[in-house]
Amino acid sequence: GAGVSQSPSNKVTEKGKDVELRCDPISGHTALYWYRQSLGQGLEFLIYFQGNSAPDKSGLPSDRFSAERTGGSVSTLTIQRTQQEDSAVYLCASSQSGGSYEQYFGPGTRLTVT
Amino acid sequence: RKEVEQDPGPFNVPEGATVAFNCTYSNSASQSFFWYRQDCRKEPKLLMSVYSSGNEDGRFTAQLNRASQYISLLIRDSKLSDSATYLCVLYGSSNTGKLIFGQGTTLQVKP
Repeated sequence: GAGVSQSPSNKVTEKGKDVELRCDPISGHTALYWYRQSLGQGLEFLIYFQGNSAPDKSGLPSDRFSAERTGGSVSTLTIQRTQQEDSAVYLCASSQSGGSYEQYFGPGTRLTVT
Repeated sequence: RKEVEQDPGPFNVPEGATVAFNCTYSNSASQSFFWYRQDCRKEPKLLMSVYSSGNEDGRFTAQLNRASQYISLLIRDSKLSDSATYLCVLYGSSNTGKLIFGQGTTLQVKP
């Protein structure tokens, strides 16, 4: 079946602009995660959604970052007033449920802030 | 101190060689551990889970040493296709499944 999809695959934006990154999880997966991978850095957790529960936002680096998940499916990560240090690959993952289920990653969105 | 630490490498080995990677973690309460593989400019994919008793999957063997808080991955009879970055991963929270990643160890298998 279809895997996790993300769009756009690449995004170049000017410093100070807002960007929206989209994630379509695997159908039926109730848990959705956003991670970020900066050059030379490991992946870092950003935010987690599970069903209708309040999201775990503990990994968001600043209040310029927000995410929502509509209808328990598609998720959008928004970065306001982008900064050069926001340049990274943003990866989305989904799993059947939270906890110990395997997470399947999408191909990521490569964000470059100039 | 980082929660998960790995030697970034690169490890350059000839085909057929045996290579081992170690990873240390700081939180003694961590319960679940994994090795992920990430090819260049691709997303990470689960390679194998790491069980307390150790586990093997073909040419790959994973070991967990709770007393010393380290995890290892052994690859036997290396193939060119094993060239990738290997990520040591653990659950930051077993309730949510939030993953904590090491920076990864790069393996380059040469002909």
